[in-house]
Amino acid sequence: DIQMTQSPSTLSASVGDRVTITCRASQSLSTWLAWYQQKPGKAPKLLIYKASSLESGVPSRFSGSGSGTEFTLTISSLQPDDFATYSCQQYNSYPYTFGQGTKLEIK
Amino acid sequence: QVQLVQSGAEVKKPGASVMVSCKASGYTFTSYYMHWVRQAPGQGLEWMGVINPTSGSATYAQKFQGRVTMTRDTSTSTVYLELSSLRSEDTAVFYCARPTGGNHYDYWGQGSLVTVSS
Repeated sequence: DIQMTQSPSTLSASVGDRVTITCRASQSLSTWLAWYQQKPGKAPKLLIYKASSLESGVPSRFSGSGSGTEFTLTISSLQPDDFATYSCQQYNSYPYTFGQGTKLEIK
Repeated sequence: QVQLVQSGAEVKKPGASVMVSCKASGYTFTSYYMHWVRQAPGQGLEWMGVINPTSGSATYAQKFQGRVTMTRDTSTSTVYLELSSLRSEDTAVFYCARPTGGNHYDYWGQGSLVTVSS
């Protein structure tokens, strides 16, 4: 199975900050990686697919980059609605696997 | 619009089985595979498997082999997840999730909480 390691597990930041979350895969994914945002009690929401493609309707302050085994999700200027948990997912091969999540908290 | 509506919360005793349903609407049911993902309280997301709604064939995560069955009913556009021999560690929210162009999940059900407790 492909292991996905996200860092950090928790991130404290302020409105307006630029933040970056990293996801590392135990083997190459090419660009078969997605990022999701999840709020308490809700289903995940797709933000980024194929490592860097922005899902329709997602604000442009979200961006993704990377290929192979290292990927990043960047939020260019945090907004109040962005405080949530973010997870990466590889869909290069079964079983699909997720990172353990990064909780983005208000500083 | 695409909608995935799941069945309600369940409480089960250890050793029992549970069936969760996911009714799809707003698209041609047989055009897209359906995946199941679970999330234990305070934990990350965990992929359980995928079903081809046309053929009914399914692929399961090794972790759940022998305990999980995914089925579908094309007449009602519904997919089902059955998990047997439940233990307390199976307490989780179960989601159905549908990919579109790739295998990233554009659409999710609202989640079904299954609590396993004696």
